[in-house]
Amino acid sequence: AQSVAQPEDQVNVAEGNPLTVKCTYSVSGNPYLFWYVQYPNRGLQFLLKYITGDNLVKGSYGFEAEFNKSQTSFHLKKPSALVSDSALYFCAVRDISAGTYKYIFGTGTRLKVLA
Amino acid sequence: KAGVTQTPRYLIKTRGQQVTLSCSPISGHRSVSWYQQTPGQGLQFLFEYFSETQRNKGNFPGRFSGRQFSNSRSEMNVSTLELGDSALYLCASTPLGGQGAAGDQETQYFGPGTRLLVL
Repeated sequence: AQSVAQPEDQVNVAEGNPLTVKCTYSVSGNPYLFWYVQYPNRGLQFLLKYITGDNLVKGSYGFEAEFNKSQTSFHLKKPSALVSDSALYFCAVRDISAGTYKYIFGTGTRLKVLA
Repeated sequence: KAGVTQTPRYLIKTRGQQVTLSCSPISGHRSVSWYQQTPGQGLQFLFEYFSETQRNKGNFPGRFSGRQFSNSRSEMNVSTLELGDSALYLCASTPLGGQGAAGDQETQYFGPGTRLLVL
């Protein structure tokens, strides 16, 4: 069964330090992978995606993510965290080979950047 | 280009009532998906519509239904509301064959959500 795991409910990082939010996935075919961010009382905002090509994907607000097929991971990273990055982050996958059009979301990771 | 809009933004209902939520996708987008978000269950997929047809459905009871119109606008309906239906309902649209660069075909763009409180 398709699944997405975000193993950390919360990640704390000091402002200016690098941050990583982890995501692993399980799909039967080639995945399309996404990261979204949600601020309080708002919908999800698209950050970046991996469809094909370079394993390192750059997205909005200085975020990037690395697709690792052997480890089935798609961790979100940023070299220098800002307090304004504090939000809820969701990883999502769409399995394009199974004929399904569902997007599977992880449970979310709350990022807290401490000043 | 305007983003995904959802109406109403907030709603209070009582148990047993029914509710209809509306979603207008980004112009040119043909696919609309609905999600329920609660603190305990996270983001749960409800259903997806493409060209007025339900293409996929999540594991929700039949009280949850939806439809899509020819202009791609979508509505979801919840009948016989229960306390547990209190949630943020999110709508997302995707180009999928409509306008947009090839790489954007798979990206979902979310609306601000409708927060439903059932008393």
